[in-house]
Formats: sequence, C-alpha cells, structure tokens
Amino acid sequence: SQTIHQWPATLVQPVGSPLSLECTVEGTSNPNLYWYRQAAGRGLQLLFYSVGIGQISSEVPQNLSASRPQDRQFILSSKKLLLSDSGFYLCAWTQGVTKNIQYFGAGTRLSVL
Amino acid sequence: AQTVTQSQPEMSVQEAETVTLSCTYDTSESDYYLFWYKQPPSRQMILVIRQEAYKQQNATENRFSVNFQKAAKSFSLKISDSQLGDAAMYFCAYRSSSNYQLIWGAGTKLIIKP
Repeated sequence: SQTIHQWPATLVQPVGSPLSLECTVEGTSNPNLYWYRQAAGRGLQLLFYSVGIGQISSEVPQNLSASRPQDRQFILSSKKLLLSDSGFYLCAWTQGVTKNIQYFGAGTRLSVL
Repeated sequence: AQTVTQSQPEMSVQEAETVTLSCTYDTSESDYYLFWYKQPPSRQMILVIRQEAYKQQNATENRFSVNFQKAAKSFSLKISDSQLGDAAMYFCAYRSSSNYQLIWGAGTKLIIKP
C-alpha cells in the first residue's frame, strides 16, 4: 500500500534561517506531488506542485522554493525565513487512476520567531 | 476562475443527530470532481467522500452522504448519527477534470455536543 511521509512534524526556526521540509511517498511511482500551506483557522493554499522529476510549478510568488530530486521525493525550501512563513505545511500526492484524489501527509507545524 | 464557498464557519450538532454542511462552487466546466475532506485536531487531512460530476447518483460512505445539485452548483455533506470522533474541520474541494489542482473552501468547524 502507498504511504506518504513528511518531516519534521514540528519546527521552530529564527527569522533569516534556512528551511528544508521533506516529503516522500512509498509504494507508488510517478506520483503528482503537492505542497500546501495552511494558516491557523484557514483553508489550504497551494504553493507548488510537480508532475515529474525536476518539474515544479509555483502557484504563489513567495520566499519559498520546491525541488523534486527523485521520483517520490519533494522538498520545500527557503534560504531565509520570514515571520510570515509560519504555518502548517502539508504535502500531498495523487497517482494512477485515482489521480483526482489527493492523499496527505501528517503535516509540519513551522513557527518562525 | 473556479471558486468554492463554505458559508458556515462553524456548526454544532448533538451526538447521534444528523447535520448538513453546505458547499457551493462556481465553474463553467461540465466535467469535474468534488470532495469533502476532514481535518481533525491532529491536522491530518483525510478524504471523507468524493463525487464525480457526471454521476447523477449521490455518493455515500457509511454515515456520510452528499447532496449533489449540479445545476445549482451545490455539494452538501450530510453526517448521520454524529459521533464525537466526527468533530473536525471539514473542507469542500473542487477539481476540474483537466487540471491537477484542487480548489479549496475555507472550511467549516463541526462541534459535536455529547
């Protein structure tokens, strides 16, 4: 069965520090991968999505970037964090005949202080 | 552009009762998918139910069912025999058949009263 792993679960970082959040999917190949951000009490905002290795689409201009170095690995990065980068980050994937269903990781709670 | 609207920021229901969460959407497309996701306090996003727009029959998953009104662009979620574990944020989402992206509503917080 397919599983998605996202880490770390919680992260506290100072303003101006770098960021790296990682997401990996197991049990499938060539998934579509997504990064979302969710502010407290709000809906999901799509940040990036990828349909293949090295293929990244950005939805929101911001301080963040994404990379897909391997088929089932999706990384969210920042060179210098801002206070406004605080939030809950979710990774998701879709694949195969159920490409229309997105399955989510457990999320990372990022606090920038 | 497609939009999804959840007009109820918060709903409450007595345990074992039935509750309906509202969702409306705006699209000019005829082929699309609609979803309800649940986000409990753990914040893990969990798929509750899915509806294909070309299907007239409303989707059902155990105690969860939808009322899909395509002409009215309405997609409500009915939860029967509410349980304490149903307490969560519920998000409605839309996806065009020609696009990988989900369009999300703002969510409805469901409170279950024991």
